[in-house]
Amino acid sequence: EVQLVESGGGLIQPGGSLRLSCAASGFTVSSNYMSWVRQAPGKGLEWVSVIYSGGSTYYADSVKGRFTISRDNSKNTLYLQMNSLRAEDTAVYYCARDVGTTYGSWFDPWGQGTLVTVSS
Amino acid sequence: QSVLTQPPSVSGAPGQRVTISCTGSSSNIGAGYDVHWYQQLPGTAPKLLIYGNSNRPSGVPDRFSGSKSGTSASLAITGLQAEDEADYYCQSYDSSLRGVFGGGTKLTVL
Repeated sequence: EVQLVESGGGLIQPGGSLRLSCAASGFTVSSNYMSWVRQAPGKGLEWVSVIYSGGSTYYADSVKGRFTISRDNSKNTLYLQMNSLRAEDTAVYYCARDVGTTYGSWFDPWGQGTLVTVSS
Repeated sequence: QSVLTQPPSVSGAPGQRVTISCTGSSSNIGAGYDVHWYQQLPGTAPKLLIYGNSNRPSGVPDRFSGSKSGTSASLAITGLQAEDEADYYCQSYDSSLRGVFGGGTKLTVL
């Protein structure tokens, strides 16, 4: 079964750092595009970052320079290192496989999400 | 302010047909990029409902259908059921922003 399980969320003070993990089963992370998508409380979905199978990475402007996406092929796990956290980063963070084609890509499957709360 | 525009809410009675629109621009939907739809039941992660404008993943009932024209797309749900009550999001690709979503539409089954 194809599955993604996130962990690492929690309460963190503004300016702090947190690393999210996303363990995959049923497929190989390094052979796929993988994304992080977040959802602020009561709000819509926002794409955060993607790592391509070749290793290229891209970020939303809102997190560029503060967040870093990476993967550990031996653990089949995706990560999101979040630094200089702000209150507006408070959200449920989902990892998702990014299924790419010439005409764009979609996200499937999604993990269950992990809540990050940035507050003093 | 989401890149793709959806109505905040729609509603319908059981058995009826509802549609949810998704409007983009020349840098995303209008540039030829596909539109995808997700269903998010309360308290759960989004689930892929339609991909590539009109394709249903295995297990998604054929009551759900998608279409795309120009800079817009639509999700149609026929034979509305109580279990369809959820938030629905459209998603596409933008040449400068990469993955973009609509603001979401809350479907209420009356």
